[in-house]
This record gives sequence, structure tokens and C-alpha cells, in this order.
Amino acid sequence: QVRLVQSGSEMKKPGASVRVSCQASGYTFDSYNICWIRHVPGQGLEWLGWITPYNGNTNYAHILQGRITMTTDISTATAFLELRSLRSGDTAIYYCARGGGAGYHFWGQGTLVTVSS
Amino acid sequence: EMVLTQSPATLSVSPGERVTLSCRASQSLSSSYLAWYQLRPGQAPRLLIYGASNRVTGISDRFSGSASGTDFTLTISSLEPEDFAIYYCQQYGSSPRTFGQGTRVE
Repeated sequence: QVRLVQSGSEMKKPGASVRVSCQASGYTFDSYNICWIRHVPGQGLEWLGWITPYNGNTNYAHILQGRITMTTDISTATAFLELRSLRSGDTAIYYCARGGGAGYHFWGQGTLVTVSS
Repeated sequence: EMVLTQSPATLSVSPGERVTLSCRASQSLSSSYLAWYQLRPGQAPRLLIYGASNRVTGISDRFSGSASGTDFTLTISSLEPEDFAIYYCQQYGSSPRTFGQGTRVE
């Protein structure tokens, strides 16, 4: 069955960077986009962007342009999200999800990133 | 950027009640590209409906979706205790993909 397993919680200071991983199994990794979404406490879901594993093409949300990088390692079926220059407003649960057109059917379990001095 | 406006922000209801959640798109959106998710504390979002009215396999038939122009509706026919959650609509017809701000069912 399709599974997306994310890396563990992170605690970072403002200005630092964080890298979250998402390892996929149960399907052909480079056949589907990997999307990233975050849930800020007390706020809604925010779409961060996607990456196409087979060619590395990306599409980032405008609000994070310049601070965000999505990559993949096809050999390990793993997607990565890097967010730089962290600020308190980046404190959120970060999710990866498998793209594919008709909504996001499969999600990782989420990774809590806390930004605090 | 397409904006999705959900209403109401909060719905206070009792088990067994019928619930109707609304999502309005700021631009024309094909029904094929609207999804509904359920978010419970401590869990990842769960896709309930895609293509405005297609229920995901395994989702209870008390959940249904419909569309009329730029207005989309999620209906829960008879609320169960496990349905108390936040519900989000999302459009995937244009980039950036966007979510509504959510409706809390409490």
C-alpha cells in the first residue's frame, strides 16, 4: 500500500534552516508529484508547492519564494523540503502528500517544526 | 490566485444533525478540480471528496459533495461523534493550489 513516512520533529532558532524528509513506498516514486502543505497552529492549511521527481521541476508558493527548496532522491524514493531563514511564523506541522490530479489521497504523518529562540 | 471562502467559520451542532458546509470560489472553477478534506487533531488531513462530488473509497456515504457554479457544498447527512473536525476545501485547477480557511464542526 502507498505510504509516506516523514522525518521527526524539529526545533530551530529563528534564522536557521530546516530539512524535512518524506520517504515513499508502495508505488513508483517518479510517477507522481510530491506536494508539501503546512498547518500553522490555529490557522488553516497552506499549500507550499510541489516537485516532479522524474525531472526535478518545482512549483513553489509565492509567499515562500527564495526561502524554500524541494528536492528528491529517486534512488531512495525520498522527497525533501528545505526552509531557510526560519521565523516564528513558520512554526507548523509540515506534510508531504502524493500528487496525481484528483486531490491528495495519500499523506505523510506530518513533521512538527517549531521555531523559537 | 484563486481564493476559496468557506462558511461558516464554526458550526456548533449535535450528533445526528445534518450539516452543510459551503465553499465559494473567487473565479470560475471546473467542478472537476475541487476537493474536501477532514482534519482531526493529531492526524493528517484525509481526503473525503474529489471532483466536487466523488467520494473517496472507504469514506462513509453520509458524506456527499455538490457544486453549483462557483459554489461548492459538503453535506454530512447525520453527524457521528468522529465527524467533529475541521473541514477544508481545496482547488487543484490552477496554480497555486489553494485551500479555504476551514470550517470547524464542534
